[in-house]
Amino acid sequence: DAGVTQSPTHLIKTRGQHVTLRCSPISGHKSVSWYQQVLGQGPQFIFQYYEKEERGRGNFPDRFSARQFPNYSSELNVNALLLGDSALYLCASSFGFNEQFFGPGTRLTVL
Amino acid sequence: AQSVTQLGSHVSVSEGALVLLRCNYSSSVPPYLFWYVQYPNQGLQLLLKYTSAATLVKGINGFEAEFKKSETSFHLTKPSAHMSDADEYFCAVSEGSQGNEKLTFGTGTRLTIIP
Repeated sequence: DAGVTQSPTHLIKTRGQHVTLRCSPISGHKSVSWYQQVLGQGPQFIFQYYEKEERGRGNFPDRFSARQFPNYSSELNVNALLLGDSALYLCASSFGFNEQFFGPGTRLTVL
Repeated sequence: AQSVTQLGSHVSVSEGALVLLRCNYSSSVPPYLFWYVQYPNQGLQLLLKYTSAATLVKGINGFEAEFKKSETSFHLTKPSAHMSDADEYFCAVSEGSQGNEKLTFGTGTRLTIIP
């Protein structure tokens, strides 16, 4: 079975731009979570979606938004990019039992 | 609120020596606890998890961890370090049920193996 996939792998944006990151969960997984990992730190929780409903939101500004589609894939959107948004964005999916499977991440650089 | 503290951002051990990575947690409910390993420029792979069953948990690659409620600890150990163990390790805690599984991570411990 394919694992969690994320696209793109890398991207470079400039301040003020908008970005959309995509995630496809493992087949059969209905929950998708997003995390931000700044260099040198642990991942920070951004959002969780389960059955297309938002189940949790971390301490991030409203510039961050997400959605989950009927096929359980998900998008993370970030508006008005700041230099501090440069990070590795990780997507994780789960079937339940609190075990989350992580994708390889999208490396976002904001110039 | 849940939190995780990993003592020691960098740990160095000799090849063949015991690996001990420390993790203490704070949680208002019985926690689920996890150790993940992160390979360079990649996502996270689950090493092992504690979900209120046996307190000594065995994981992949010879790692194990013991849940000690009285010490609020979940330290990761491996009897004999191998060069391939050199990576970054994260401890994480979750209080959620299915559909509400927010993970709170520690700041990570980078493990270096000395030949």
